[in-house]
Amino acid sequence: KAGVTQTPRYLIKTRGQQVTLSCSPISGHRSVSWYQQTPGQGLQFLFEYFSETQRNKGNFPGRFSGRQFSNSRSEMNVSTLELGDSALYLCASSSTGTGGQETQYFGPGTRLLVL
Amino acid sequence: AQSVTQLGSHVSVSEGALVLLRCNYSSSVPPYLFWYVQYPNQGLQLLLKYTTGATLVKGINGFEAEFKKSETSFHLTKPSAHMSDAAEYFCAVSATNAGKSTFGDGTTLTVKP
Repeated sequence: KAGVTQTPRYLIKTRGQQVTLSCSPISGHRSVSWYQQTPGQGLQFLFEYFSETQRNKGNFPGRFSGRQFSNSRSEMNVSTLELGDSALYLCASSSTGTGGQETQYFGPGTRLLVL
Repeated sequence: AQSVTQLGSHVSVSEGALVLLRCNYSSSVPPYLFWYVQYPNQGLQLLLKYTTGATLVKGINGFEAEFKKSETSFHLTKPSAHMSDAAEYFCAVSATNAGKSTFGDGTTLTVKP
């Protein structure tokens, strides 16, 4: 079974631009979560999607948004990029995400650099 | 609400020595606890997890962790460190929803020859 894939792996943008990152979960998984990882803030939860609906949201500004498609693939978008958005963005999938005991499987991440 | 504290952002051990990475958690409901490892430029890989039942959990690569409710701890250990264990390790807690885990700040493990 293929793992979680994320595209692109690396991205360079300039301030003010917008960016879209993509995540394909493990086949059959319906829950997709996004995390931002930075040296200063560590791993922070962005949002979680399940069956095309945002089920949970972290404490990020509205510039960060996402969506999930009927095939469970997910995209996240960041508008009006700021230097502080430079980070590794990780996607994780789990079967249903219902119940804290489920294992999340992480993709390799997309490294975003904002200049 | 839940939180995780990893004591020691950097731990250095000699090859063959005991590895001990500390994790304390806070959770308003019975927690599920996880340890992940991250190698440079890669995502997180699950080492082990505690859900219910036996409090001593064995994971991959010879790692194990013990859930101690009275101490709200879930420390990760390995009897003998190997050079390939050098990586960053994250402790995480989830309660009702695995998709919204809370992570510690991570501990970077260095293994000296």
